[in-house]
Amino acid sequence: ETGVTQSPTHLIKTRGQQVTLRCSSQSGHNTVSWYQQALGQGPQFIFQYYREEENGRGNFPPRFSGLQFPNYSSELNVNALELDDSALYLCASSLVLAGQETQYFGPGTRLLVL
Amino acid sequence: AQKITQTQPGMFVQEKEAVTLDCTYDTSDPSYGLFWYKQPSSGEMIFLIYQGSYDQQNATEGRYSLNFQKARKSANLVISASQLGDSAMYFCAMREENYGGATNKLIFGTGTLLAVQP
Repeated sequence: ETGVTQSPTHLIKTRGQQVTLRCSSQSGHNTVSWYQQALGQGPQFIFQYYREEENGRGNFPPRFSGLQFPNYSSELNVNALELDDSALYLCASSLVLAGQETQYFGPGTRLLVL
Repeated sequence: AQKITQTQPGMFVQEKEAVTLDCTYDTSDPSYGLFWYKQPSSGEMIFLIYQGSYDQQNATEGRYSLNFQKARKSANLVISASQLGDSAMYFCAMREENYGGATNKLIFGTGTLLAVQP
């Protein structure tokens, strides 16, 4: 148990729709990162939020956006869904102290885009 | 650019035996961290072990140890006394050790699927 939860566990959408995925971080963690894991691959970094501000972004288009709230929960929003967005979406929370931190992952949300 | 390479798509090991999962990395940064995560079929990434680039000793966590060879840029995971519950995907990951709140993203390899046989 990492203390990181995600909802929903599974989701089916159609092309062009919008989706919001949610993550509840471990208590006291000030940083949340989101990753996309396509079938058979390792996770790819989407972006990271630190104290409610975006703190770095991977190679993902602007239709991937996020929010982090004062209680350290967060959202990943994806607009104009494409078939290739079908993947497992993982959030990871961490506490950054002097640049050192270990990311603890939630169970993920499996998104299928038809 | 940072890169993680895991050359073993799959591995078999007999229960109670030890197994080594290979990981090599590439980075030009002098300060970095190396991680191993376990991913069962349920999907959750479970943190196993961490090695900092300046750590003098190899990291150990219970049955897990990390064979860190800095000059060869390798960070192999050794699982001793394998158990049936160890069957899962294993990912090696790397992160730059940034300070001042800079992004601490993880770069993952493609993973190794470990099957423990009774």
